Amino acid sequence: AQKVTQAQTEISVVEKEDVTLDCVYETRDTTYYLFWYKQPPSGELVFLIRRNSFDEQNEISGRYSWNFQKSTSSFNFTITASQVVDSAVYFCALTPYSGAGSYQLTFGKGTKLSVIP
Amino acid sequence: KAGVTQTPRYLIKTRGQQVTLSCSPISGHRSVSWYQQTPGQGLQFLFEYFSETQRNKGNFPGRFSGRQFSNSRSEMNVSTLELGDSALYLCASSLTGVNQPQHFGDGTRLSIL
Repeated sequence: AQKVTQAQTEISVVEKEDVTLDCVYETRDTTYYLFWYKQPPSGELVFLIRRNSFDEQNEISGRYSWNFQKSTSSFNFTITASQVVDSAVYFCALTPYSGAGSYQLTFGKGTKLSVIP
Repeated sequence: KAGVTQTPRYLIKTRGQQVTLSCSPISGHRSVSWYQQTPGQGLQFLFEYFSETQRNKGNFPGRFSGRQFSNSRSEMNVSTLELGDSALYLCASSLTGVNQPQHFGDGTRLSIL
């Protein structure tokens, strides 16, 4: 069984502050993929990043950065200099890679981020 | 490039009825997955279809079923509707599976009276 925990239900920050969204996962699989998706108020989930379990390099994309630490089973997401447009619900997700083409994506409960102007 | 299209956007049904939701994936995408989103349970995986075959299924009762056509379009059916089935149903497509970045539709909001 796999599980994704996003302990922060809601976070509010003032515009231009940095914010980190936490994600902790549990899986028995040695090979897996981790994802972050964003769901703005409009409702459509948008893919942000995928990371496989072999690649622990941190990644930076503009104001977004991700810290993957296998030792603590965490895949945290940081937004630098937050903007009002970052207001959304952010989901962390996990799927094993069995190699057989059969996967199931498990989502965390999400963190609602509100950026106040 | 057109995105994932779900129809209808809103549905109101009563207990005991059945409902069919439709999803048209992005052209070229062969994997279609369905998710149920509720305030209490969050986003839960229903099933995934690839090349007209159900490849994986989440922990939902048999009242929830689906199918995929040769053009990759997919339908999801829920029979004998219960109040607890009220949710936003999201469809997502990708080239080959849920281990790839998925593109989501706007969802179908199903309300059971």
